[in-house]
Amino acid sequence: NAGVTQTPKFQVLKTGQSMTLQCAQDMNHEYMSWYRQDPGMGLRLIHYSVGAGITDQGEVPNGYNVSRSTTEDFPLRLLSAAPSQTSVYFCASSYSRDPSGNTIYFGEGSWLTVV
Amino acid sequence: DQQVKQNSPSLSVQEGRISILNCDYTNSMFDYFLWYKKYPAEGPTFLISISSIKDKNEDGRFTVFLNKSAKHLSLHIVPSQPGDSAVYFCLTYNQGGKLIFGQGTELSVKP
Repeated sequence: NAGVTQTPKFQVLKTGQSMTLQCAQDMNHEYMSWYRQDPGMGLRLIHYSVGAGITDQGEVPNGYNVSRSTTEDFPLRLLSAAPSQTSVYFCASSYSRDPSGNTIYFGEGSWLTVV
Repeated sequence: DQQVKQNSPSLSVQEGRISILNCDYTNSMFDYFLWYKKYPAEGPTFLISISSIKDKNEDGRFTVFLNKSAKHLSLHIVPSQPGDSAVYFCLTYNQGGKLIFGQGTELSVKP
């Protein structure tokens, strides 16, 4: 049981390049989400999905795109990387949006630097 | 507008003593709170939670207290161990089901 798997773990991009952060979970979770962590700001929600074919914006969606073609996968695309997108990115999944008794599982993080 | 605030970015305690991490929130409608722990180069992991119908929840060395009138919760770790050194996040959910994180408090437990 791998849990939530994120790749790559580290990436350096040049301004204007595009890339995709991959996220996969093997727990048959409906709810998946992407966060970025910046110093002094906790984790902020970028995009989320409540099931295959359904996505929605979070708190900081600009510059990012997502899709959810399967229950297992939830890739995050950076359309044209900017230095402001230098951050640590976490993918998370849970059985549902109901918080009570519903553990959220996080991936190990992807460190992205945009130069 | 930070809806969940952890005003202490760092805390240092001696091994064996109590660690108290604090969290304040702004919306009285929040009714479920979680604490997550994060080690460097790892994702956050679940530690303990509390529903607003309770004012205390205990799990081994970890106890969370909720004061609804003050919109304040705290995480107590007794006794603190060096392996507890990590960043601790306070979280809640808004009505739309979106997680809201505090900024995190970095706990350092010294031997």
